[in-house]
Amino acid sequence: GEDVEQSLFLSVREGDSSVINCTYTDSSSTYLYWYKQEPGAGLQLLTYIFSNMDMKQDQRLTVLLNKKDKHLSLRIADTQTGDSAIYFCAETTYGNNRLAFGKGNQVVVIP
Amino acid sequence: DADVTQTPRNRITKTGKRIMLECSQTKGHDRMYWYRQDPGLGLRLIYYSFDVKDINKGEISDGYSVSRQAQAKFSLSLESAIPNQTALYFCATSDPLGTGYNEQFFGPGTRLTVL
Repeated sequence: GEDVEQSLFLSVREGDSSVINCTYTDSSSTYLYWYKQEPGAGLQLLTYIFSNMDMKQDQRLTVLLNKKDKHLSLRIADTQTGDSAIYFCAETTYGNNRLAFGKGNQVVVIP
Repeated sequence: DADVTQTPRNRITKTGKRIMLECSQTKGHDRMYWYRQDPGLGLRLIYYSFDVKDINKGEISDGYSVSRQAQAKFSLSLESAIPNQTALYFCATSDPLGTGYNEQFFGPGTRLTVL
């Protein structure tokens, strides 16, 4: 079955890098996603990675996937105050297109 | 205009009342979902619908019911609200690819408080 684990809180200074981690249990995951939830808003897709990839870079975002350990991370370079949000990792498996979400990481950027 | 809208945005009600939360989408997606968000628990799936005639229970459907009135509309009802249903409720839509890619598009949420 699907089970996605995340730690809950991260504080980071503006300009530093922040790393958010996630572990998942379903080895048949096909896509893994990072969603961002800003205060008072719904979730928006930030980035995703296909399960046959190890890394994906998108401007300030770097996603690393370790399939052996079922570990997913999101690195945000040069963190800005606008990056303060809750970040959720999620996964889908082929044939079961429902998303399984982690509990979310709250990131607070200190100016 | 937003692609996924939810009404009301905030609601305070009393224990035992019947409540309906509405969701509308203009994305033309067949799939729609209702989630609730609680602090420290993330998002949990209440119900989902793959099309107008296909409605399925999620992981926490007890105490809730849904109605898919049209492709664009998916309503969530609490027949008799109780305080532990106080939460933030999100509607989402998607149009998955055959590869399994399933980006979901979320509404802004409804904050429900049951006294």
